Amino acid sequence: GNSVTQMEGPVTLSEEAFLTINCTYTATGYPSLFWYVQYPGEGLQLLLKATKADDKGSNKGFEATYRKETTSFHLEKGSVQVSDSAVYFCALNVIQGAQKLVFGQGTRLTINP
Amino acid sequence: ETGVTQSPTHLIKTRGQQVTLRCSSQSGHNTVSWYQQALGQGPQFIFQYYREEENGRGNFPPRFSGLQFPNYSSELNVNALELDDSALYLCASSSYFGETQYFGPGTRLLVL
Repeated sequence: GNSVTQMEGPVTLSEEAFLTINCTYTATGYPSLFWYVQYPGEGLQLLLKATKADDKGSNKGFEATYRKETTSFHLEKGSVQVSDSAVYFCALNVIQGAQKLVFGQGTRLTINP
Repeated sequence: ETGVTQSPTHLIKTRGQQVTLRCSSQSGHNTVSWYQQALGQGPQFIFQYYREEENGRGNFPPRFSGLQFPNYSSELNVNALELDDSALYLCASSSYFGETQYFGPGTRLLVL
C-alpha cells in the first residue's frame, strides 16, 4: 500500500540550528512528494514539492530531495528561526480513481530563541 | 487571486445531529477534496469531487456525503454525528485533476 513515515516528534531546537526532519515512503509507482506546514490554529500550507526522482524542492530556506533509491524525502533547513515553529507533514500523491494525498503523522517543531 | 475559504470556522454539535460544512475553491480550480484531521494526527482523505462528480472516497462511512456546485464550491455533510467525528475538516482545491492541492483554513467541529 501507500504510506508515509515521519520522524517522531516533538523536535526542539535553538534558533539558527540546523534542521532535519526525516520522511520515508512506501508507494506503487513514482508519486509526487510534498511537505506541508501547519501553524497553530491554521490549515495546511504547501511548503515545497518534488515530482520526480532527484528533484529538489525548495522554499523559504527549506529543501528536500526526492530520493528514489532510499524512498526518502527528508526536510532540511540550514538555520531555523522562531517563526519556523509549526507542525510539518510529509505527503505523497496517489492517483487511484481520485487523486488523494497520503500524509505522515506530522512532526511538531519548536524553535527557542 | 482568492485562496480556498471554508465556513464556519468553528462548530459545536451534539451526538446524532447533522452538520454541513462549506468550501469555496481557489479561483480557476475545478477539483475539491475533503480531509479529516483528528487531534495530533495527519489528515485523512474523505472524498474528492471533480466537475461536480464524486470520483473517489477514502475509508469513511456513507453518512459522510458531499456535493460540488457548478461554480466548483463544495459541501461536506455528516449525518448522525458521533463523538469521534470531532476533528478539523480541511478542504483542498486544485487547478485540474492530478495537480498540487491547496488547503483552506479548516472547520473545527466538536461533537458533544
